[in-house]
Amino acid sequence: GNSVTQMEGPVTLSEEAFLTINCTYTATGYPSLFWYVQYPGEGLQLLLKATKADDKGSNKGFEATYRKETTSFHLEKGSVQVSDSAVYFCALSEGTGTASKLTFGTGTRLQVTL
Amino acid sequence: NAGVMQNPRHLVRRRGQEARLRCSPMKGHSHVYWYRQLPEEGLKFMVYLQKENIIDESGMPKERFSAEFPKEGPSILRIQQVVRGDSAAYFCASSPLPGGTEKLFFGSGTQLSVL
Repeated sequence: GNSVTQMEGPVTLSEEAFLTINCTYTATGYPSLFWYVQYPGEGLQLLLKATKADDKGSNKGFEATYRKETTSFHLEKGSVQVSDSAVYFCALSEGTGTASKLTFGTGTRLQVTL
Repeated sequence: NAGVMQNPRHLVRRRGQEARLRCSPMKGHSHVYWYRQLPEEGLKFMVYLQKENIIDESGMPKERFSAEFPKEGPSILRIQQVVRGDSAAYFCASSPLPGGTEKLFFGSGTQLSVL
């Protein structure tokens, strides 16, 4: 079956540091890949996505590239801010139409300090 | 426009009791998804509903769990005769589109604790 593995947290960084959160996946077909973010007290929000190999998703300074050869979708940001402190979830989706389903990783908590 | 609302935020039940989790989708959304996050695991799909219809319940445990999304009112996830293994965070998501994983909006979840 499908699965997503992401690095364990928490990840603690100083403001303006470079961020990488690793994510690898196992899927039988050609999934779409997503990063979701959950800020304290809120629901998960879609951060970025990529639907095919070599696509790069980007949003709010975050980037991730769909690497089929390494089955990876690592999240990166060049300079983190305190406001980026949240839990980040990597996810994949297979299937289209009426029953698309997401498979999530366990989440990685990011704490950014001044 | 209010987001997806889930209540309660925290629910404590003793073994054998029933748990009812509510989810009000965003205004105009008629597609609701339920996910469960067990401790140390990722969120797992449970069920996908449209108004008055269950579309996909392939992730639902075969016994004790049921879900509904009536014509009026919130979607309800019901767990009968809860056991300790049901302790988890339950997330609801809604979408304006069929199977719209790219336009899913999540609630902040209900943390169920079974004593």
